[in-house]
Amino acid sequence: NAGVTQTPKFQVLKTGQSMTLQCAQDMNHEYMSWYRQDPGMGLRLIHYSVGAGITDQGEVPNGYNVSRSTTEDFPLRLLSAAPSQTSVYFCASSYDRETDEQFFGPGTRLTVL
Amino acid sequence: DQQVKQNSPSLSVQEGRISILNCDYTNSMFDYFLWYKKYPAEGPTFLISISSIKDKNEDGRFTVFLNKSAKHLSLHIVPSQPGDSAVYFCAASVGGTYKYIFGTGTRLKVLA
Repeated sequence: NAGVTQTPKFQVLKTGQSMTLQCAQDMNHEYMSWYRQDPGMGLRLIHYSVGAGITDQGEVPNGYNVSRSTTEDFPLRLLSAAPSQTSVYFCASSYDRETDEQFFGPGTRLTVL
Repeated sequence: DQQVKQNSPSLSVQEGRISILNCDYTNSMFDYFLWYKKYPAEGPTFLISISSIKDKNEDGRFTVFLNKSAKHLSLHIVPSQPGDSAVYFCAASVGGTYKYIFGTGTRLKVLA
């Protein structure tokens, strides 16, 4: 199993550009989520999904869109990048929200100029 | 408003001694708590968890203690090893909300 994979590892954008951060898992996990990590802020939940076709907002959803058309994939879209979105983004998945550990991907480091 | 707080940004411990990492929370509705470890340039990895119906959970060298009245949990690592040097995050959730709130992390350095 590859676990949770994220692409790209690094990305530089200009303000106003759009892009999609990819996340995939091969563990048949129902629950997937996106976090951002900023210095001194810990990890903050952006969006999450409890299964294909079901998504909801986390703590900091503004400026980000998600969709979940398959169990395996959970892309995060930035429609118009802003410097405030410069961060490290982590995708995570778990079989069940309640008691199972979340498996995290290696992260995507995004810089918006 | 930080609902989960890790007030010590860093901690240094000698190899073989006990490491104690602390976490405080403000939301009394939290009923599930987890600890994650993170190495540089990697994603966090799960260490140990505890439900609010328990006050202690052990897994090898790692023990988590929960004091619900004080809204406090701690992670004990005994004995500490140089490979334990990492950033440790605590996280909490409320049953049914599907949302985890993370603390800001504590950087542990275990000195050989």
